[in-house]
Amino acid sequence: NAGVMQNPRHLVRRRGQEARLRCSPMKGHSHVYWYRQLPEEGLKFMVYLQKENIIDESGMPKERFSAEFPKEGPSILRIQQVVRGDSAAYFCASSSMDPRPGNTIYFGEGSWLTVV
Amino acid sequence: ILNVEQSPQSLHVQEGDSTNFTCSFPSSNFYALHWYRWETAKSPEALFVMTLNGDEKKKGRISATLNTKEGYSYLYIKGSQPEDSATYLCAFLYGNNRLAFGKGNQVVVIP
Repeated sequence: NAGVMQNPRHLVRRRGQEARLRCSPMKGHSHVYWYRQLPEEGLKFMVYLQKENIIDESGMPKERFSAEFPKEGPSILRIQQVVRGDSAAYFCASSSMDPRPGNTIYFGEGSWLTVV
Repeated sequence: ILNVEQSPQSLHVQEGDSTNFTCSFPSSNFYALHWYRWETAKSPEALFVMTLNGDEKKKGRISATLNTKEGYSYLYIKGSQPEDSATYLCAFLYGNNRLAFGKGNQVVVIP
């Protein structure tokens, strides 16, 4: 049973370009989360999605960042016009149900974005 | 701003010794506390999800306790082995779907 799959694992973008990070949740999981780890910081929540719906995007920067989780295909985190400060590790996670009852949230290996 | 603190930040342990470290979190509006084990270049591995005050969970030589009233959790490693070397993350579930992570306890087991 494959875990949470993220690609690319490493991505280099020049300032002003777009970055697209993809995440395939674990089989049977319909809840997807994106987290970001900036250098010297812990993981920070960005966005929570269920199929075709953004449930909570309170942790996502208001500009240049967007996320989707279409009916078919992986979840995409899109960063437009990247700046050096976007350089970070982006982690995707998934769960089978709402995490409130204490269900496990499974993480992928992360996508490392470097903006040059 | 939610504050999840883990201490000590890093520790070296002799192989065979037992060790423990602490995660402190807000004691109000508690839903769950998650522990993960994270090795470099791998995905964080889910260890425990703890929901009830007084919870104790065990997985092999690793165990955890939870005190929601005072806002702390302990993680214990019994008889440390080199393969236990990793960063141990705790995360507090808040707002019903968001995890607030600590910066981790980095454990190095010395053979």
